[in-house]
Amino acid sequence: KAGVTQTPRYLIKTRGQQVTLSCSPISGHRSVSWYQQTPGQGLQFLFEYFSETQRNKGNFPGRFSGRQFSNSRSEMNVSTLELGDSALYLCASSLGVVAGSYEQYFGPGTRLTVT
Amino acid sequence: AQTVTQSQPEMSVQEAETVTLSCTYDTSENNYYLFWYKQPPSRQMILVIRQEAYKQQNATENRFSVNFQKAAKSFSLKISDSQLGDTAMYFCAFMKHSGNEKLTFGTGTRLTIIP
Repeated sequence: KAGVTQTPRYLIKTRGQQVTLSCSPISGHRSVSWYQQTPGQGLQFLFEYFSETQRNKGNFPGRFSGRQFSNSRSEMNVSTLELGDSALYLCASSLGVVAGSYEQYFGPGTRLTVT
Repeated sequence: AQTVTQSQPEMSVQEAETVTLSCTYDTSENNYYLFWYKQPPSRQMILVIRQEAYKQQNATENRFSVNFQKAAKSFSLKISDSQLGDTAMYFCAFMKHSGNEKLTFGTGTRLTIIP
């Protein structure tokens, strides 16, 4: 089974621009979660989607948004980029706790650099 | 809110030796899951081992085992017969058992296996 894939792997943007990151979960997985990883703040939860519905949201400003499609693929968007948004953005998928499986499997991440 | 503490920022051990990584957490929940994830340098996050809080038996996966002390809110990871490929950042993580798929991570322990 193919693992979680994320595109693009690397991205360089300028302050004020917006960016869209994509995540394709493991086949059959309906839950997709997003995390931001930085040296200063560590790993922080952004949001989680299940069957196209956002179920949980972390403590991030409204510039961070996401969505999930009917095929469980997910995108996250960051508008009006700031230097502090430079980070590794990780996507993780799982079958879902409701399906009795709670393990999250991570993709390779998208390295976003804001200049 | 849940917090996860990893008090050892860095550790090193000789190849073939045993090493134990510490993790403590704080929660008012009774049912939850605990995880150890491994993130090798420039590579993606891998699930190492998981533990359900309602299970008294400590989880084991080959050379990896945990010491789960629920009353003490402690969840340490023991790596036996350490190998060079075990060199990585190790993150302890917590998830509530409530359909909430959010992982709360510790700050990580950088483990180096010395040849």
